[in-house]
Amino acid sequence: QKEVEQDPGPLSVPEGAIVSLNCTYSNSAFQYFMWYRQYSRKGPELLMYTYSSGNKEDGRFTAQVDKSSKYISLFIRDSQPSDSATYLCATREDAGNNRKLIWGLGTSLAVNP
Amino acid sequence: NAGVTQTPKFRILKIGQSMTLQCTQDMNHNYMYWYRQDPGMGLKLIYYSVGAGITDKGEVPNGYNVSRSTTEDFPLRLELAAPSQTSVYFCASSYSANTEAFFGQGTRLTVV
Repeated sequence: QKEVEQDPGPLSVPEGAIVSLNCTYSNSAFQYFMWYRQYSRKGPELLMYTYSSGNKEDGRFTAQVDKSSKYISLFIRDSQPSDSATYLCATREDAGNNRKLIWGLGTSLAVNP
Repeated sequence: NAGVTQTPKFRILKIGQSMTLQCTQDMNHNYMYWYRQDPGMGLKLIYYSVGAGITDKGEVPNGYNVSRSTTEDFPLRLELAAPSQTSVYFCASSYSANTEAFFGQGTRLTVV
């Protein structure tokens, strides 16, 4: 079993739709959760970063972490064509000596005008 | 705002050739990373460094070497290129283990 599972899609939605992107993880020691967005032929860039369970909102984006279910989600409201990209979830243990991020495979999203 | 700069952007190598992928950052970050990204395979960590003079292996280090003589630079060396090393390579840096990682634009390498 992979440490982080993410459906690669592709996901295609009409403009204005609410998008839900999800990852599951297996290690209960994971404490930090991140969502990165990667446009075609570009490097990933950080979109959201959460430490605790619950919701974190930033504009049209909401990151949700459920540690009891080991489930993380990214919601995009009023999706725009400019949101078309690959979204990668990433997680890691608390600081200590483990400095490595564990990545999902990424979900490809297309928002159609 | 240079951030993380990778060179070259594209390269075609013949089997058995060697090359160095350059990575430099101007944010005074302690941590630097090299990833490869293959279609459907996600990001795989090759090597990382937590400071000048310190490097460590990631998930897929075979066929690669790194050095970290300065805080700014973290070159990745391929000694004997193989077709399996055809990939997109990303360098990243972060201030600490818990802070945002900034990525370069990537180097697209083809080994033929």
